[in-house]
Amino acid sequence: SQQGEEDPQALSIQEGENATMNCSYKTSINNLQWYRQNSGRGLVHLILIRSNEREKHSGRLRVTLDTSKKSSSLLITASRAADTASYFCASGNTGRRALTFGSGTRLQVQP
Amino acid sequence: DADVTQTPRNRITKTGKRIMLECSQTKGHDRMYWYRQDPGLGLQLIYYSFDVKDINKGEISDGYSVSRQAQAKFSLSLESAIPNQTALYFCATSETASTDTQYFGPGTRLTVL
Repeated sequence: SQQGEEDPQALSIQEGENATMNCSYKTSINNLQWYRQNSGRGLVHLILIRSNEREKHSGRLRVTLDTSKKSSSLLITASRAADTASYFCASGNTGRRALTFGSGTRLQVQP
Repeated sequence: DADVTQTPRNRITKTGKRIMLECSQTKGHDRMYWYRQDPGLGLQLIYYSFDVKDINKGEISDGYSVSRQAQAKFSLSLESAIPNQTALYFCATSETASTDTQYFGPGTRLTVL
């Protein structure tokens, strides 16, 4: 079963609005990563936040991490139609064999 | 050129046939992975390899086998395909640690009739 769970499962917004996606995980982590998947394509890494970090920025992306609540959020500001994709969180723990991916949030940005 | 390539990109086959999906990478990474994605769902780990001599089962290895022919090549086989193996299959690589960023291939869409 997937350790990471994204919320909401689907999100539809207008261009220019902000999009917020949340991820929860169950066990301790070394890092939390966010990936993007355009329809039917391979996942592309967006950003990584380490367990000792609380917030990280990359362009229009802002990621927060709350290890006490075992949760992370991804904020996309000033969304564009090209941001339409599925977004997955993935938790990394050195005691596990590989990243554990969540089930994803499907974001639709209406032009 | 893409760092992680997969062939074929699309494949339609019949129940009972043996199928091989191939993955090659030019990133020089030690670790390679095979994932399965069903429509609207996340990724499930099928097999992973830390190097040529180290291959491990993932969450859903039944019905699948793999071969790590070289550091750059990792193949996934379906010995006798069945319809519920219809899915999108991804190969990925990472450097050395299980927590490292993964780099994905474009995927193979497999349909088993």
